[in-house]
Amino acid sequence: AQKITQTQPGMFVQEKEAVTLDCTYDTSDPSYGLFWYKQPSSGEMIFLIYQGSYDQQNATEGRYSLNFQKARKSANLVISASQLGDSAMYFCAMREGAGGTSYGKLTFGQGTILTVHP
Amino acid sequence: EPEVTQTPSHQVTQMGQEVILRCVPISNHLYFYWYRQILGQKVEFLVSFYNNEISEKSEIFDDQFSVERPDGSNFTLKIRSTKLEDSAMYFCASNQQGDGYTFGSGTRLTVV
Repeated sequence: AQKITQTQPGMFVQEKEAVTLDCTYDTSDPSYGLFWYKQPSSGEMIFLIYQGSYDQQNATEGRYSLNFQKARKSANLVISASQLGDSAMYFCAMREGAGGTSYGKLTFGQGTILTVHP
Repeated sequence: EPEVTQTPSHQVTQMGQEVILRCVPISNHLYFYWYRQILGQKVEFLVSFYNNEISEKSEIFDDQFSVERPDGSNFTLKIRSTKLEDSAMYFCASNQQGDGYTFGSGTRLTVV
């Protein structure tokens, strides 16, 4: 079974509108972390936002917010006020770990290509 | 902002040749990783390294692969005898407990 599933191969959004990129995960570990990365066409991996499994509030970082629904095992990324520079591949990733540690491998989803139209 | 530095950015090698991909992690980070991304596909974990030894490796990380931290700053991935299917982008990453993971810009390896 896939540990991280991104069901949207591609998404389109109009500039200045909000967009939600879906991510569901599967783990039996009570302690885990969820990450979103942006990969522009130049190839680098840019960290966007992090949500810990014990965090009570949804994470926010500027125009990025994470809609964390623990019971549904989903961690959707919301980008508000989309910009042309947001066009990129977006990856959801999970770290499973014990006791609040924050090291260990990341398992990535398949990615979603976001295209922002002017 | 501290960076993870990878060299070279692009390497072309002949099948059967050995390659060494180099990484300089962030200086106060203790955990190091290599990931691989075949073109257009998802990012796959290869190996993690802590305290001068491998802490975890994936099925992909077979006997053709090795990692080393030859000095206090570099972290290398060696592929002993490259195959066509080793062509991919290779990412180095590092982190410290309590910090997020920082990825390098990647090395695009092309095996011909």
